[in-house]
Amino acid sequence: EADIYQTPRYLVIGTGKKITLECSQTMGHDKMYWYQQDPGMELHLIHYSYGVNSTEKGDLSSESTVSRIRTEHFPLTLESARPSHTSQYLCASSEWEGARGYTFGSGTRLTVV
Amino acid sequence: GEDVEQSLFLSVREGDSSVINCTYTDSSSTYLYWYKQEPGAGLQLLTYIFSNMDMKQDQRLTVLLNKKDKHLSLRIADTQTGDSAIYFCAESIDNAGNMLTFGGGTRLMVKP
Repeated sequence: EADIYQTPRYLVIGTGKKITLECSQTMGHDKMYWYQQDPGMELHLIHYSYGVNSTEKGDLSSESTVSRIRTEHFPLTLESARPSHTSQYLCASSEWEGARGYTFGSGTRLTVV
Repeated sequence: GEDVEQSLFLSVREGDSSVINCTYTDSSSTYLYWYKQEPGAGLQLLTYIFSNMDMKQDQRLTVLLNKKDKHLSLRIADTQTGDSAIYFCAESIDNAGNMLTFGGGTRLMVKP
């Protein structure tokens, strides 16, 4: 079954550590997105990609970086985690056109202590 | 720029109908979406409506679109405790490469 996978689901890490949040999709979607979600629910777009070797920053400034070397894989990296990075991170993908909107992963809940 | 607004919170009793409202500003929206987010999970697409439609019904869900007022609503009939979740509306702008703009989410609480 086509789907989008995020790992890990939960991560508690110390300040200053480097971390990579994984996101993979099996649907062959060209477009992929990373959102940061506040405890207050609002979604903030932090990165997106329109295909291999394409990455763009989103509306919310973020200290994270992303890469898109393969169509199915869109990892997000924090070089030095801080408590302010504590949040829920959601990955999504979509087709280039059409009505189906985004397919979301289950999210990674990151806590930096 | 585009903006999508939702009320923060709605509380209903089990068995009643729920109506979640959304307003948007960009008149060039092509598709409008409703997503559901359960605790600790990602967003799940519930339904969508094309901008030239007024209404779409899918089992207990009814979507109403008033394009003149830029108002979208989601009605859930016979609301159940399993419907308790956060509901997001989103719009797709025709000339924005299918990028979605999301509202802030409405938390629906269903009381037994």
